Amino acid sequence: GAGVSQSPSNKVTEKGKDVELRCDPISGHTALYWYRQSLGQGLEFLIYFQGNSAPDKSGLPSDRFSAERTGGSVSTLTIQRTQQEDSAVYLCASSLAHGQGKADTQYFGPGTRLTVL
Amino acid sequence: AQKVTQAQTEISVVEKEDVTLDCVYETRDTTYYLFWYKQPPSGELVFLIRRNSFDEQNEISGRYSWNFQKSTSSFNFTITASQVVDSAVYFCALSDTSNYQLIWGAGTKLIIKP
Repeated sequence: GAGVSQSPSNKVTEKGKDVELRCDPISGHTALYWYRQSLGQGLEFLIYFQGNSAPDKSGLPSDRFSAERTGGSVSTLTIQRTQQEDSAVYLCASSLAHGQGKADTQYFGPGTRLTVL
Repeated sequence: AQKVTQAQTEISVVEKEDVTLDCVYETRDTTYYLFWYKQPPSGELVFLIRRNSFDEQNEISGRYSWNFQKSTSSFNFTITASQVVDSAVYFCALSDTSNYQLIWGAGTKLIIKP
């Protein structure tokens, strides 16, 4: 079956502009995660969606970052007034579920490489 | 607090050598899950294995094997007869059932020289 897809694969933008990054999770996966990975670094958690529950936004680095998930499927991560320090690879992952005594495997998309000039 | 330590920042070996990547974790939970992911130069994170805390059996998948030892809080990964295509950054991660966030190690960059 199809894996997690993300678009665009690369995005170059000017400082101050807004960007939208898209994630299509694996069909049937109720949990969706956004991470950020700076060059040569590990993964930084940004936000988590589970079904219809309120998302966990605790990892968002500033109020310039927001995300939504429409219809429990596709998710969009928006960065407003981009800064150079926002340059990174943004990774999306999905899993069947979490909680109730389980931690299902997260499957990752190919990422969006964002470059802010 | 939960923590994952991958002390080896970078490992370089010649093709066909065996190599072990270390992963040490800390958690107070009795039920938890451990993962290994591979990130090749292309950048996509590839899931390799998931192991729960109640299953201490070692696992072998082709040239890959994993040694889970609760007594030492370690979940080490061995590649036998390494190949150039194994070159990647390998991440170990920890998850418990109450917090959906994966706790990631810093990763080990593995370089396999021909």
